[in-house]
Amino acid sequence: EIVLTQSPNFQSVTPKGRVTITCRASQSIGSSLHWYQQKPQQSPKLIISYASQSFSGVPSRFSGSGSGTLFTLTINSLEAEDAATYFCHQTSSLPLTFGQGTKVEIK
Amino acid sequence: EMQLLQSGGGFVQVGRSLRVSCVASGFVLGEYSMSWVRQAPGKGLEWVSETGGDGMTREYADSVKGRFIVSRDNSKNTMYLQMSSLRVDDTAIYYCVKDSIPRNGEFDAFDIWGQGTMVSVSS
Repeated sequence: EIVLTQSPNFQSVTPKGRVTITCRASQSIGSSLHWYQQKPQQSPKLIISYASQSFSGVPSRFSGSGSGTLFTLTINSLEAEDAATYFCHQTSSLPLTFGQGTKVEIK
Repeated sequence: EMQLLQSGGGFVQVGRSLRVSCVASGFVLGEYSMSWVRQAPGKGLEWVSETGGDGMTREYADSVKGRFIVSRDNSKNTMYLQMSSLRVDDTAIYYCVKDSIPRNGEFDAFDIWGQGTMVSVSS
């Protein structure tokens, strides 16, 4: 099983600040890494697919990078609506797995 | 607009069975692989099961293998998760999710999520 480890678990950032979340895979997964945003009491939403492809309708302040075992989600110019938990997800091999999540708080 | 509408779920005792359903709209279900993902209260996301577009391929997490069955009726645009021998640690919100790429033959990102259905298993 491929284990995804996100860091940090929690990040508190001021509005207009930058958020950087790292997702490390226990083995190489190419670019089969996706990012989701989940707000309280809501279903997760896809924001980045295949490491760096922005999903339709996602604001341009969200970006992803990386390949192999190390991936990064960056949120530039943070807005209040970005307060959420972010999960990475690999689809390289079964079982499909998720990172433990990173909670982003707005100061 | 592509949507997934879930039903079913509820409260059950350990060892009992339950079925959750997922009706797709805005797209042809048979063109996409679909999965179930669950989230225990206050916890992260766990992939549960996946079924290919034609329903012939089915994959399961080890935690549910032999107890859960995923199926689909493409003529009704509906996917099901039949859960048997339920355990307390199956308590979670269950989401049905759609693969982002049609007929891809690979595992893809999940671009559409249902609203979630709560399943509570008590002893």
